[in-house]
Amino acid sequence: AQSVTQLGSHVSVSEGALVLLRCNYSSSVPPYLFWYVQYPNQGLQLLLKYTSAATLVKGINGFEAEFKKSETSFHLTKPSAHMSDAAEYFCAVTPSGTYKYIFGTGTRLKVLA
Amino acid sequence: DAGVIQSPRHEVTEMGQEVTLRCKPISGHNSLFWYRQTMMRGLELLIYFNNNVPIDDSGMPEDRFSAKMPNASFSTLKIQPSEPRDSAVYFCASSLGDREADTQYFGPGTRLTVL
Repeated sequence: AQSVTQLGSHVSVSEGALVLLRCNYSSSVPPYLFWYVQYPNQGLQLLLKYTSAATLVKGINGFEAEFKKSETSFHLTKPSAHMSDAAEYFCAVTPSGTYKYIFGTGTRLKVLA
Repeated sequence: DAGVIQSPRHEVTEMGQEVTLRCKPISGHNSLFWYRQTMMRGLELLIYFNNNVPIDDSGMPEDRFSAKMPNASFSTLKIQPSEPRDSAVYFCASSLGDREADTQYFGPGTRLTVL
């Protein structure tokens, strides 16, 4: 069965520091991959998605993610954290041929002043 | 451009009462999803509609839960009778189609508390 693993349920970074949130998937066939952000008391908002067009995907708010097939990873990065980035981040995968999202357990990002 | 609309945003009810959650998907979207989010279980897909037809309800917890989509612009999720363990945030999401690359757009959620 397909799965998504997000390493680190909580990540803290200082304002201005690099943000790195990890996501690994299990799939024999490259899937479609998504990163969503959830701010407190809000729904999930799409940050970016990988659909095989390019391995480096740029999203909103300065975030980007790189698809690495050899490592089955799709880590999310941002060069410089801002206080407004504090939120929960979810990685999701849709295996080939299905509409169903498989969500990771989420990573809560805390940005320290 | 309006996103997915859900009502109510908050619902507090007593055990045994009927609860109805409402969702208006983005206009033109053909797929609609209901999710439940809890600390213990994370995000769970409850039911999926395509062109107003329920395609996959394997995530519906039990017979107390039911969902309908009478037309392309409205869906309901009903819990009858409600129980404290149903307390969660319920999200509705819609997408343009049912392909694996289609983005799902989420509503703001309904926070349900069953006392």
